[in-house]
Parts: sequence; structure tokens; C-alpha cells
Amino acid sequence: EVQLQESGPGLVKPSQSLSLTCSVTGYSITSNYWGWIRKFPGNKMEWMGYISYSGSTSYNPSLKSRISITRDTSKNQFFLQLNSVTTEDTATYYCAREYYSGSNWFAYWGQGTLVTVSS
Amino acid sequence: DTVLTQSPALAVSPGERVTISCRASESVSTLMHWYQQKPGQQPTLLIYLASNLESGVPARFSGSGSGTDFTLTIDPVEADDTATYYCQQSWNDPRTFGGGTKLELK
Repeated sequence: EVQLQESGPGLVKPSQSLSLTCSVTGYSITSNYWGWIRKFPGNKMEWMGYISYSGSTSYNPSLKSRISITRDTSKNQFFLQLNSVTTEDTATYYCAREYYSGSNWFAYWGQGTLVTVSS
Repeated sequence: DTVLTQSPALAVSPGERVTISCRASESVSTLMHWYQQKPGQQPTLLIYLASNLESGVPARFSGSGSGTDFTLTIDPVEADDTATYYCQQSWNDPRTFGGGTKLELK
């Protein structure tokens, strides 16, 4: 069974970087596409980007200058880094696996982790 | 970006039929998908490609539509269906989500 679990700091100061880890079990991240999605207070959801089975990435243009998604295949983990955060980046962050490679919809989700940006 | 518009909330009685709508600001063909999110849980996939029922999802759920207008139907509604329902399109980049429809049971 595919399982994803997010981890990382729950509180980040403005202007700093947000770094999260998604640990995957039951499926290799060298297959399929793996993404990050966030849900803001008030329920708006935003697709942030993905890293593919080959290590290629794609990002939401609204974040392109601040975001980086990388991976460690030896640990079956992938990572989110979001730079220069503001209070507007306060959200619950989810990692997810696409239904199949390039399908662009999400079959498996982590539980989510709340990140608050505050001084 | 493609904007997906959903009604914010609906209230229905158990046993009734409910339709949840999602309108896209431009055509998304049939590349529309639906998720259910219960409080404190992650979203789960219900319907993909507008009308395909995800494995393990009860047949009470169905989806329809193409182009700009899509519908998620639950018939009959059960108490366990209390949740927020999101549509998501994957035809245009970047993929986008609707604002969610909160379904409450009377």
C-alpha cells in the first residue's frame, strides 16, 4: 500500500525558508510523479509542483522563483523548499502521488502538515 | 489560470439526492476530477476524468460533464458524506482546484 508522510517545522519566520520532507513507503519514487499541494485557511487549494520519476520538475508559475522540489531516492523521500516566505504561505502542506505518470490528478495523499509563518 | 467555481455550501437530508457543481472559466475537456475531504483528513479521490469512479468509492457517487460545466452527484446521501468536495482540472497549466463545497446533513 502506498503511504506518504509529511514532516518538517510547524513554524517558520517571515523571510526564511520553509523545508518539508515527504517520506514514501510501499512504492518507489523512481516511478510516477510526486507533487506538493497546499490548502490555505479558508479552503483554497493550490498545486505547487512535482518531481517526476526521472527527477525532472515542474512548478506553478506563481511560485517559480521561490520553490524547489528535490529528492533522495536512496531514502525514498522527496522535499519541498519554499524561499522568502510570508504570512501568506501559512497553509496545510500535502504531498501526493499522481494516479499514473503525467495523469495530473492525485490518487494518494499524505495526512498533511500545518505550517504557520509568523514572527 | 483556469478558475473553477463551486457553491460554498449545501445542506441536504439523508436519503436525498445532491448535485455539486463546478464551473470552469475555460474549457477543460473532460479532464476534471473530484475529491472528498473530511475534517482533519487528507483529500481522497472520488471521480477522475469527469465520470470515472475511483476503485473502492461507493456507486452512490457519480460524475458528469464536459467543457466548462461539471457535476458530482451523490444519490442517496448518507450521514458519512459530510465533507468538503473539491473539483480539480488538469487540462490547462497550472492544474487548479475549485474553492470547495461544504456538504452538511440536516
